[in-house]
Amino acid sequence: ELKVEQNPLFLSMQEGKNYTIYCNYSTTSDRLYWYRQDPGKSLESLFVLLSNGAVKQEGRLMASLDTKARLSTLHITAAVHDLSATYFCAVDMTQKLVFGQGTRLTINP
Amino acid sequence: KAGVTQTPRYLIKTRGQQVTLSCSPISGHRSVSWYQQTPGQGLQFLFEYFSETQRNKGNFPGRFSGRQFSNSRSEMNVSTLELGDSALYLCASSFSVDNEQFFGPGTRLTVL
Repeated sequence: ELKVEQNPLFLSMQEGKNYTIYCNYSTTSDRLYWYRQDPGKSLESLFVLLSNGAVKQEGRLMASLDTKARLSTLHITAAVHDLSATYFCAVDMTQKLVFGQGTRLTINP
Repeated sequence: KAGVTQTPRYLIKTRGQQVTLSCSPISGHRSVSWYQQTPGQGLQFLFEYFSETQRNKGNFPGRFSGRQFSNSRSEMNVSTLELGDSALYLCASSFSVDNEQFFGPGTRLTVL
């Protein structure tokens, strides 16, 4: 059974700092997603990572995928308050997404 | 292009009742998946439909069922509701297998 683990689960940081969220998974997969969820809202797609070594960047967020290590990272650069949200990684097992527990990120002014 | 729509957005039911949730995928998308989100269990896969056929099912009791119509719209049904069924139910659609899934706004179900 595929397991997806994120860490940390809670992250409180100050504006302007950098940090990384880690996503480990237990079974081989070449497709991984990162989503953002605001309180009471649905999932917003951030990144789709389709191959080993894939790196994608959007604004202050950058995601990477290492399929050999079964590890994906979401790096936040110079955090701003607007990035406060819960972030999920999800591994695609042929149309069945298996999600991590989520990382609740709070960015303080 | 309109996104995934779900109706109703909010629903309150009592234990023992049944409920039907609806999902309209993005135009042209033929795959619809359903997920349940609860504080305790997180996001869990319920089932996936493609061209009116259920292709994959998660680990949920038989009280949870679904179907897909010829226009790709999908419904899920939960019978004999329990308090633990209170959750945000998310529908996602994709063009086909191995395509990115796009999520709808969700239906928040409260069981009293």
